[in-house]
Amino acid sequence: DTGVSQDPRHKITKRGQNVTFRCDPISEHNRLYWYRQTLGQGPEFLTYFQNEAQLEKSRLLSDRFSAERPKGSFSTLEIQRTEQGDSAMYLCASSLGQGTDTQYFGPGTRLTVL
Amino acid sequence: ILNVEQSPQSLHVQEGDSTNFTCSFPSSNFYALHWYRWETAKSPEALFVMTLNGDEKKKGRISATLNTKEGYSYLYIKGSQPEDSATYLCASNFGNEKLTFGTGTRLTIIP
Repeated sequence: DTGVSQDPRHKITKRGQNVTFRCDPISEHNRLYWYRQTLGQGPEFLTYFQNEAQLEKSRLLSDRFSAERPKGSFSTLEIQRTEQGDSAMYLCASSLGQGTDTQYFGPGTRLTVL
Repeated sequence: ILNVEQSPQSLHVQEGDSTNFTCSFPSSNFYALHWYRWETAKSPEALFVMTLNGDEKKKGRISATLNTKEGYSYLYIKGSQPEDSATYLCASNFGNEKLTFGTGTRLTIIP
């Protein structure tokens, strides 16, 4: 068990470009979550999947954001037409099942939009 | 708006001393309380999940308590060591899947 992995660890992009991040959860975890952390704040929920179904999306997730988990394993988070306000740490977590289960986090992808 | 608050925001503790910090949350719709330790450039590490009023959990020198009626949890570290330096986050589920996090307590252990 290698834990939750995320790729890339760092991404620097210019405003207006599209970026895509990948998350590989712990195998057999059917829940997968995306969070975003900005400076001085705690992580904020973006969206989550149960297997391949996206069950909840935060109002923080504007139309420029899309997340997928096509085969119920890895997930991608895409941001189109990036803005400077998108600069943040994007964290992925996975869990076995219901809300009281521990969510195991990856190391995050730090996005900087210039 | 369901807010989770942590205090203090930052803390410097001499090596060998014990310390504690607080997480407060609305007691309505409470589901579970999670504590994480997050060291720079690493993944947040899960410490505890607590659900019942009066729960106490322990992991080595770290322990936590939960009071769901008054809406707070304490995290205690006994005999602080340099490797305890990290940001400690608490988070709560409020009747759903997502975690609502506090802003964290940044702990620095002074050798």
